[in-house]
Amino acid sequence: DSGVTQTPKHLITATGQRVTLRCSPRSGDLSVYWYQQSLDQGLQFLIQYYNGEERAKGNILERFSAQQFPDLHSELNLSSLELGDSALYFCASSVDGGGRFEETQYFGPGTRLLVL
Amino acid sequence: AQSVTQPDIHITVSEGASLELRCNYSYGATPYLFWYVQSPGQGLQLLLKYFSGDTLVQGIKGFEAEFKRSQSSFNLRKPSVHWSDAAEYFCAVKTSYDKVIFGPGTSLSVIP
Repeated sequence: DSGVTQTPKHLITATGQRVTLRCSPRSGDLSVYWYQQSLDQGLQFLIQYYNGEERAKGNILERFSAQQFPDLHSELNLSSLELGDSALYFCASSVDGGGRFEETQYFGPGTRLLVL
Repeated sequence: AQSVTQPDIHITVSEGASLELRCNYSYGATPYLFWYVQSPGQGLQLLLKYFSGDTLVQGIKGFEAEFKRSQSSFNLRKPSVHWSDAAEYFCAVKTSYDKVIFGPGTSLSVIP
């Protein structure tokens, strides 16, 4: 158990809909990272937040957005969902230190999204 | 274009045998390099990372990796594989502050 929690574990929705994925980092960790893992795209880094501020952005679509709240939990919002958005979405967290990506990241179990 | 390749999609080894997983990257400067492992149904776990200095890096679970600039490679090795090492292994490269690229992964099976 990494200490990172993600809810829900599974999510089934329809095209065009909007969903919110939630992540609670390990106690004391200030950085949160979001990843997408799909069969066709592989594992992709989406975005990083550090202490409430966006720190780095990867291959995140404009239909997707994220935020980190004062209590440091984070949400990933996916809108206008398409079939191709079906994937496993991971959240990871790391300790302080400026929110550098090089810090060891601890991954949650993921949220499996299925868009029908 | 920046990229990471893992030439072996799937590898099968016998328990106790040595292991080498290959990783090649395309980038002009020295990148930050990582190896992650993903067990079935789990998130990723960092095995080791390289930023600078000694090109042979020791990681957790008995793994090591060697950075070879001339070959643009960062191969992962383990002298004796255990059945619990069966998993998916990902090589990753950080080439700039906001760009991280993962390889396609290598699936490792271990024969008892």
